[in-house]
Amino acid sequence: ETGVTQSPTHLIKTRGQQVTLRCSSQSGHNTVSWYQQALGQGPQFIFQYYREEENGRGNFPPRFSGLQFPNYSSELNVNALELDDSALYLCASSSTRGGGSSYEQYFGPGTRLTVT
Amino acid sequence: AQKITQTQPGMFVQEKEAVTLDCTYDTSDQSYGLFWYKQPSSGEMIFLIYQGSYDEQNATEGRYSLNFQKARKSANLVISASQLGDSAMYFCAMREGLNTGNQFYFGTGTSLTVIP
Repeated sequence: ETGVTQSPTHLIKTRGQQVTLRCSSQSGHNTVSWYQQALGQGPQFIFQYYREEENGRGNFPPRFSGLQFPNYSSELNVNALELDDSALYLCASSSTRGGGSSYEQYFGPGTRLTVT
Repeated sequence: AQKITQTQPGMFVQEKEAVTLDCTYDTSDQSYGLFWYKQPSSGEMIFLIYQGSYDEQNATEGRYSLNFQKARKSANLVISASQLGDSAMYFCAMREGLNTGNQFYFGTGTSLTVIP
């Protein structure tokens, strides 16, 4: 069973640039969530994708956007990068069987983004 | 108000002893799930244990148990027989409601150090 993978592991960007982060979900998982974890803080929910559509969103501006592909992999795009976007970005996959239940999420190793 | 509160920024425990990490939560929903995750220095979030709001018995997973006190809105993690490999950040999290698109709320974490 393949776990959640993320790429790249580290990234350095300049303020104002755009970035794309990638995530491959765990085998058999159809739901992907993205989180931002600033240094010394807990993860903050950005959004979740299910069946290629956004299925929930946290308190993040529209310049944070995402995609989910038919194979359930996902991308997080951030436009007009700001210094405060520097953080560890975590992707988590889970299996949603409809109707809802609190299934656990399995996290990837994260992408550490530094904005200078 | 914070959804998840972890009041212990850092904890120390002697190897082979038990330790309790505190977590309180705030929700008006009747249906919710509570989770604990471990985050080593590598950054990956590792799922430890889950407790549903309707579960009458405390959850247990190997050396981990969750002391669920619904009336007090607390969900403390108990680690028995601590090992050196248990040294890490520990995060308590909650998902409200039954919609799996609902976000996870994380606390600020507790740094656990196991002393040989």
